[in-house]
Parts: sequence; C-alpha cells; structure tokens
Amino acid sequence: DQQVKQNSPSLSVQEGRISILNCDYTNSMFDYFLWYKKYPAEGPTFLISISSIKDKNEDGRFTVFLNKSAKHLSLHIVPSQPGDSAVYFCAASSNSGYALNFGKGTSLLVTP
Amino acid sequence: NAGVMQNPRHLVRRRGQEARLRCSPMKGHSHVYWYRQLPEEGLKFMVYLQKENIIDESGMPKERFSAEFPKEGPSILRIQQVVRGDSAAYFCASSPMDGTGGYEQYFGPGTRLTVT
Repeated sequence: DQQVKQNSPSLSVQEGRISILNCDYTNSMFDYFLWYKKYPAEGPTFLISISSIKDKNEDGRFTVFLNKSAKHLSLHIVPSQPGDSAVYFCAASSNSGYALNFGKGTSLLVTP
Repeated sequence: NAGVMQNPRHLVRRRGQEARLRCSPMKGHSHVYWYRQLPEEGLKFMVYLQKENIIDESGMPKERFSAEFPKEGPSILRIQQVVRGDSAAYFCASSPMDGTGGYEQYFGPGTRLTVT
C-alpha cells in the first residue's frame, strides 16, 4: 500500500528555470514531511523538511509547500542548476511511528 | 567525514549463503534505521534500533532476516539463506534523537546485495 505517491517518474527543466516536484499522501496521520536527493550509487541526502503546522519552508533555492487539506506537497527549486539533476524522494512520517514512508521518486534532469 | 558508514558497499552471495551488512551511525547518533530499495522502487522501512534494543521491526520479513545494534560496534543486518529476491540496495540511516517525527534521518551510501 503506497501511502506516499510521486506520480511523475521524470521531469526535465532548463537551467535557470523553476523545477516543481510534486508529492501526494494518503495517511492523514503523517505530520512531518521530508525531501531527499539521491545520486546513482549513493545514499539519499536530506534536503529540506516541513512540519504539518507550517505550509511553507524555505532554504536557499529550495522551498517546500504543504497543502494539508489536499494532502499534497511540492518542492520548488529556483533557479535550477545542472548539478540538481538527481532522483528526488518525498518522505513522510507520523508522530506515532519511526519509519519514513518514501515515494518512488522523481528523476529530475536539468539541461544547460 | 563523520557520516553514516556502511560496509561492504557491494556484496555478492550465492543462493543459500548468509549476508551480513554493517552500519556505523554518525558520531553522536544512537538511533539506527535500515531500509531496503528494490529496483525502480522507493525505500522501504525495515527496522529501527537503539543500542541493544529493537524498537520497531514491523517492516522486517518474518523469516531469515535479523538485526542488532550491540553496545559496542556497528549495527548488523543479517540475512540467512539468501534468495534472488533479496537482491537490492540496503540503506542504513541514523538520527540523533527519537525518530518519532520531526527529526531527520541521515543515510549511508548503501550496500548493494546481489544474489546469484
């Protein structure tokens, strides 16, 4: 049962433009959300997180937006750079559990 | 680099053999998590451990798989009598505090297990 869904397997964006990666979840108990970036043959690297008490969190070029009523979050990268090309995973957890529930990932390609 | 360390990075085992995967958490972290990633899939939680305690093993297969985090030394994920379906990337993560929401988990580079 996939509780965290990333419906776009891939995304291609031109350098300098905005990248928007989307994530939907089904479990209303989730209250903490994270984005990880992963290069081939490496482990996921933590990027940014957001608590359910907020609707936006910003860190440099990365901003995460949370819409609790729609059970939807998105990661915005502005401006996109070729080094951002990687697989991005959305993850969620609930206060009653320890497990991170991951989506299947979106492969982002930023072209020069 | 005081990141999460995993070894070996690559492990090849024949069907029926045992696989042992090791994980040393980041310095100062006492909470360890194991995840498995099958091809074209996201990471799936397996087990959460603190020193000498298994806290949550709800994602662990009931047979052949076991995990420990002894008082001294790395955490070990052990797979007995491996089968081809065990071929996957196994990631270890650690966190400094209780993982009940609000605390990021930091991942190691993973061990890629291939069962022939």
